[in-house]
Amino acid sequence: EDKVVQSPLSLVVHEGDTVTLNCSYEVTNFRSLLWYKQEKKAPTFLFMLTSSGIEKKSGRLSSILDKKELFSILNITATQTGDSAVYLCAGSTGFQKLVFGTGTRLLVSP
Amino acid sequence: NAGVTQTPKFQVLKTGQSMTLQCAQDMNHEYMSWYRQDPGMGLRLIHYSVGAGITDQGEVPNGYNVSRSTTEDFPLRLLSAAPSQTSVYFCASTPGGGGAEQYFGPGTRLTVT
Repeated sequence: EDKVVQSPLSLVVHEGDTVTLNCSYEVTNFRSLLWYKQEKKAPTFLFMLTSSGIEKKSGRLSSILDKKELFSILNITATQTGDSAVYLCAGSTGFQKLVFGTGTRLLVSP
Repeated sequence: NAGVTQTPKFQVLKTGQSMTLQCAQDMNHEYMSWYRQDPGMGLRLIHYSVGAGITDQGEVPNGYNVSRSTTEDFPLRLLSAAPSQTSVYFCASTPGGGGAEQYFGPGTRLTVT
């Protein structure tokens, strides 16, 4: 059975801290690993990773994939209150099916 | 482009009633999917479609039907609603190709009493 496990389940940090969110996966016919940010409504796309060891960056966020160890991390540096959200990780199979983890709830306090 | 749209935003049903959740996309995407999101469970795939006329089951298909007569529309039908179907439902579309980014609609919050 395909599964994606995220840790920690929740996290509280102070503004300016750096956080690392973890995602491990076991997905049949794995194609890519995706990260989404979910505030109050629909998930919004952050990154898609298909190759091991290549870091993707967008502003203060970055992510990397390790296909040998079957995990990915999402880093957020200099956190801001606007980063407070649930961060979802998903493994994509060859048939466009996403298997989601339960998410990490991040709260950034001022 | 409106992207992925869903209607209604909210719905309350009584047990045994039927209804259709609408989903449409104007990006000419081949792939469309339906997910449900429950507290502590993450998003789970209900049904998906890889093109007009082609649908398949996801992880939790029981109690739901889908059809895909056009590229744009992918409705989700609840034939006889049950309290266990109380959830937030998201529709998503993808341009195609394995492992591509999915674009999500705003969601429908369904309560079954």
